[in-house]
Amino acid sequence: GENVEQHPSTLSVQEGDSAVIKCTYSDSASNYFPWYKQELGKRPQLIIDIRSNVGEKKDQRIAVTLNKTAKHFSLHITETQPEDSAVYFCAASRYSGGYQKVTFGTGTKLQVIP
Amino acid sequence: GAGVSQTPSNKVTEKGKYVELRCDPISGHTALYWYRQSLGQGPEFLIYFQGTGAADDSGLPNDRFFAVRPEGSVSTLKIQRTERGDSAVYLCASSLSPRSSYNEQFFGPGTRLTVL
Repeated sequence: GENVEQHPSTLSVQEGDSAVIKCTYSDSASNYFPWYKQELGKRPQLIIDIRSNVGEKKDQRIAVTLNKTAKHFSLHITETQPEDSAVYFCAASRYSGGYQKVTFGTGTKLQVIP
Repeated sequence: GAGVSQTPSNKVTEKGKYVELRCDPISGHTALYWYRQSLGQGPEFLIYFQGTGAADDSGLPNDRFFAVRPEGSVSTLKIQRTERGDSAVYLCASSLSPRSSYNEQFFGPGTRLTVL
């Protein structure tokens, strides 16, 4: 099955600096890569996603990059703000058995220091 | 409209007891997923329903776990003879039929299960 590794497990940055979270996946058939943000005690919420036919996608202060050859993908947050503090999960998904089966990484706890 | 809802929000039970966790998906979402999230980990897939049928139950850890979705809407995750290792947050998610595109999974707030 799919295996998704995520680094770092914790990340502290000063407000205004950039944050980068990196993930690798093992299944070359994975074709969809969502990123979820989970605030303490809350539900995971999708913040951005990328499909395998795209190398980069940007939405305001967040961007994702995908290197299919190396099976790497990354989340970049620029101009971080205290409200960006949360746990971020990467995920890899493949179409199998008639649906997208999603495998999550272990999460990165981001702390933005004011 | 309303999001995915789950009840109860917290459940404390004793080892060996039976529990039921309920998920009410977004109206019109035919796909429903159950995940388990242990402390400090990402959600771990348990089971997927398309309509009323469990299309993939490969994530259920053992035969103490069972889930139903009799009318293709509300789903119940059932755990028999609970063990302390079952303690976790159980998340439910729903999406539009996933067959044609990359549909976002919308998560519920989860049920925190504690087995004493």
